[in-house]
Amino acid sequence: EAGVAQSPRYKIIEKRQSVAFWCNPISGHATLYWYQQILGQGPKLLIQFQNNGVVDDSQLPKDRFSAERLKGVDSTLKIQPAKLEDSAVYLCASSFTGDYGYTFGSGTRLTVV
Amino acid sequence: GEDVEQSLFLSVREGDSSVINCTYTDSSSTYLYWYKQEPGAGLQLLTYIFSNMDMKQDQRLTVLLNKKDKHLSLRIADTQTGDSAIYFCAAPSSGAGSYQLTFGKGTKLSVIP
Repeated sequence: EAGVAQSPRYKIIEKRQSVAFWCNPISGHATLYWYQQILGQGPKLLIQFQNNGVVDDSQLPKDRFSAERLKGVDSTLKIQPAKLEDSAVYLCASSFTGDYGYTFGSGTRLTVV
Repeated sequence: GEDVEQSLFLSVREGDSSVINCTYTDSSSTYLYWYKQEPGAGLQLLTYIFSNMDMKQDQRLTVLLNKKDKHLSLRIADTQTGDSAIYFCAAPSSGAGSYQLTFGKGTKLSVIP
């Protein structure tokens, strides 16, 4: 079974620039999550999708972050404009509906300078 | 909401047992999880325990749950250098969505050869 695919693996941008991350979940996993992991901390949920609908985006800084999952499969997370404090690893995870046992991708490490 | 606490560092000698501890706040948590993160990788589900169990054993891993004290531990027997990683405890969140997890900050396990 292929895992959760994420790209790019690394990204360095200047503050105020924009950036986008892509995630392809495991086939058949209806639930998709984006987590932000700041260095030295545990992952923090940004947004949860069920198929192509948003279940919870209460912790997403909507003034600069946006996410979509148009066809209920791939997802894109965008930051515009980026701030220094957005430097983190952005993890995508997917699961079957009703399952806490997520499968995580390897993440995208973002550095904002 | 749920709060999960872990000690940040643990150092053990190869062949010894490791015990990683975690406390959580939400007594209604149904499942509790342990994830492992190796350098540069995403989180990998190691094991989980249902709240009506006191103990679960899976090869070298033993999970102990003290529901009264809201304390969870992960014991790794015969610790190997390949076990060096960050271990995260996770509990269900009480967020707007369902099947969300709150993670602790992670315990960095260093195994000395």
